[in-house]
Amino acid sequence: SQTIHQWPATLVQPVGSPLSLECTVEGTSNPNLYWYRQAAGRGLQLLFYSVGIGQISSEVPQNLSASRPQDRQFILSSKKLLLSDSGFYLCAWRGATQGYTFGSGTRLTVV
Amino acid sequence: AQRVTQPEKLLSVFKGAPVELKCNYSYSGSPELFWYVQYSRQRLQLLLRHISRESIKGFTADLNKGETSFHLKKPFAQEEDSAMYYCALRSDSWGKLQFGAGTQVVVTP
Repeated sequence: SQTIHQWPATLVQPVGSPLSLECTVEGTSNPNLYWYRQAAGRGLQLLFYSVGIGQISSEVPQNLSASRPQDRQFILSSKKLLLSDSGFYLCAWRGATQGYTFGSGTRLTVV
Repeated sequence: AQRVTQPEKLLSVFKGAPVELKCNYSYSGSPELFWYVQYSRQRLQLLLRHISRESIKGFTADLNKGETSFHLKKPFAQEEDSAMYYCALRSDSWGKLQFGAGTQVVVTP
């Protein structure tokens, strides 16, 4: 069965520090992968998506970047975090018939 | 531009009462619409998709292209329906989902 793993669950980082959030998918190959951010009162905003290894599309200009070094691995990064990067980050993948499956999310607090 | 609007941030209903969550969208093509639900401490999960025209947990949603709406309805709310509900639109072949801001539903006994 297909599963999606996302870690860490919570993270508190100082302003200016780097960030690396990881998402891995099991039980499928060549999935479409997505990073969303859920900010308070603003719903879910698509940040990045990837349709294959090394392919990244950015939806909004920001302080973050994404990479897909392996078929089932999707990483969200920042070199220097800002206060405004705080939020709840969700990874998701899209299967051919099952629709979208979301990870459990990472609560990031930048202090 | 594509947009999904959920006008209610919070919906408080009594158990057994009907509940309707509003969702309006703007999109020039043929959208694919979804309702997602997030129960407390659980992952965001699919509740309904308009193309399947099914009823899940007593919820139904009908796509009204004339009114560009996809409202979610349940005739008799249950306490376990308390959750955050998101309306979403898939607008392209890359599978990108655009979400509304969400509606928090609280069902009180």
